[in-house]
Amino acid sequence: AQTVTQSQPEMSVQEAETVTLSCTYDTSENNYYLFWYKQPPSRQMILVIRQEAYKQQNATENRFSVNFQKAAKSFSLKISDSQLGDTAMYFCASRAGTGANSKLTFGKGITLSVRP
Amino acid sequence: SQTIHQWPATLVQPVGSPLSLECTVEGTSNPNLYWYRQAAGRGLQLLFYSVGIGQISSEVPQNLSASRPQDRQFILSSKKLLLSDSGFYLCASTWEVSEQFFGPGTRLTVL
Repeated sequence: AQTVTQSQPEMSVQEAETVTLSCTYDTSENNYYLFWYKQPPSRQMILVIRQEAYKQQNATENRFSVNFQKAAKSFSLKISDSQLGDTAMYFCASRAGTGANSKLTFGKGITLSVRP
Repeated sequence: SQTIHQWPATLVQPVGSPLSLECTVEGTSNPNLYWYRQAAGRGLQLLFYSVGIGQISSEVPQNLSASRPQDRQFILSSKKLLLSDSGFYLCASTWEVSEQFFGPGTRLTVL
């Protein structure tokens, strides 16, 4: 079984600054994937970034990067140069394998507000 | 790339009425399909998943059911809605990749 924990319910950051969202997970699998999803007020779930557990290099997508600490089972998201459009709920998720029965497990999410 | 359609976008139904939410996927074949429910301000709860036509797995006992009559069509149903069925319903799809892609969702209010 997998668990994903996001302990911070909400955060706020000034526009153009950097913010880090925390996530820890637990799994007994060796082959798994980690994700960050963004859910803006429209409620559309948008994939922000993904990390394969077997890769040591941290994933990066433009202003978004992760700090993947496999031994500590930590997977934090760093948003650089925060923009007003980054205001959203962010969900950390994990998935063991790629079969249909390898389900995506979500954390409870964190609400990020970017202040102008 | 995949595109996921859901309708209706918004639905208000009385308690005890039936429900049918539809999800269709474009741009892929033989996808794995999922139904999630999200209560207000909370995370996602997986309700059903399907690996193929007519194949449905249920994650939680509940008042809802799912069907997959065609390869790229996934339907969420209920014979009699309860107040507790209110929420935001998301359809998701995966195909040969690890991440799931989500549809725009349906907001259901049961009165």
